[in-house]
Amino acid sequence: KQEVTQIPAALSVPEGENLVLNCSFTDSAIYNLQWFRQDPGKGLTSLLLIQSSQREQTSGRLNASLDKSSGRSTLYIAASQPGDSATYLCAVRQGSGGGADGLTFGKGTHLIIQP
Amino acid sequence: GAGVSQSPSNKVTEKGKDVELRCDPISGHTALYWYRQSLGQGLEFLIYFQGNSAPDKSGLPSDRFSAERTGGSVSTLTIQRTQQEDSAVYLCASSLGTGSLDYGYTFGSGTRLTVV
Repeated sequence: KQEVTQIPAALSVPEGENLVLNCSFTDSAIYNLQWFRQDPGKGLTSLLLIQSSQREQTSGRLNASLDKSSGRSTLYIAASQPGDSATYLCAVRQGSGGGADGLTFGKGTHLIIQP
Repeated sequence: GAGVSQSPSNKVTEKGKDVELRCDPISGHTALYWYRQSLGQGLEFLIYFQGNSAPDKSGLPSDRFSAERTGGSVSTLTIQRTQQEDSAVYLCASSLGTGSLDYGYTFGSGTRLTVV
């Protein structure tokens, strides 16, 4: 059974710093990996989607990498801002990508950016 | 609609009562997913619909849980004889399709269910 682990569970840094969030998964036979952001009382917002054949994806100040063979992904946030404060979730999709597999989520990293 | 809509946003119910949660996906999204997020836990996959069909219901926690989707659009998740351990946020997501292309998921804001 796939297990997804996110480290650290919580992180607090001053505004302006670059930071890295880590995600690891036990079964490397994934179809893709997604990073989401969740604000309190809100649903999940998809940030980046990396297909299994890709090594990284970039969107603005965000960069996500994927090393499928070692079961690891990182989310890099450059020049952090208070508005980046949220819980960041990593999720992997198994098998051929058919929706029946669903996504397996980590428990998230709770990020606080201090003004 | 512009996004995935879930109702109610909050529900408090007495133990033993039945509840029905509703999800209205983005128009044209054929795939619909239900997840559960318990306090301190990760998101747990419950069930998936492609059109009106749910190929695999094994993710539902117990036989008190059921889900249906009609007209390839709105879905309802029903929990019968609710228990306190059913308290959680129930999230719905939809996507354009599955198979060889993955368009990613759009999530609703969830229904926070509290069983007292």
